[in-house]
Amino acid sequence: VQLLESGGGLVQPGGSLRLSCSASGFIFDNYAMNWVRQAPGKGLEWVSAITGSGTTTHHAASVKGRFTISRDNSRRKLYLQMNSLRAEDTAVYYCAKDSFSVPQFGVDHWGQGTLVTVSS
Amino acid sequence: QSVLTQPPSASGTPGQTVTISCSGSSSNIAVNTANWYQQVPGTAPKLLIYGSNQRPSGVPGRFSGSRSGASASLVISGLQSEDEADYYCASWDDGLDAYVFGAGTKVVVL
Repeated sequence: VQLLESGGGLVQPGGSLRLSCSASGFIFDNYAMNWVRQAPGKGLEWVSAITGSGTTTHHAASVKGRFTISRDNSRRKLYLQMNSLRAEDTAVYYCAKDSFSVPQFGVDHWGQGTLVTVSS
Repeated sequence: QSVLTQPPSASGTPGQTVTISCSGSSSNIAVNTANWYQQVPGTAPKLLIYGSNQRPSGVPGRFSGSRSGASASLVISGLQSEDEADYYCASWDDGLDAYVFGAGTKVVVL
């Protein structure tokens, strides 16, 4: 299993950013996928999940209405569209594979992460 | 305030046994499996225990997990210096419709 995130960087408060994750080494559309973030010096915080088929999504209350998770199974890619970014969204964002087609069983593989910094 | 409660730190000398608790509720650990992750600072987390008590291939046998009611535990038997890391429990929460993590426990090998 390999998960490679891209798209992180510096963005101003109120701005937008789209993260991507390229997956390989497993049958992509058989598994749910997640985004998990970690603010500097803090613990892990789950952000969003999407089922293997892409028909159902889940978002943490802290990002609901601002972030949207999506996937393109034909390209084996996972996305996170982040709008109305705030300073508190500054974190390393990890792409994470779930252990089943729905997210209720939890993450079993992690990417290396991409840093998002929200600052003026 | 995390939905899952872990002690902030634990410590032991090489060879000792360390136990980390994770207290949840009727909407998460009591009805869904608990998973444990190990994170060495500066690196990505790694799955240590899944399904409350199963070890992925490659994880040393000194790591074991258990669940009782709404609580889970991680035991490190025969502590080694390379076990110094942060440990997180996690579970799906049916009420929040979210995958929730504990705040993490820092294990120090004295």
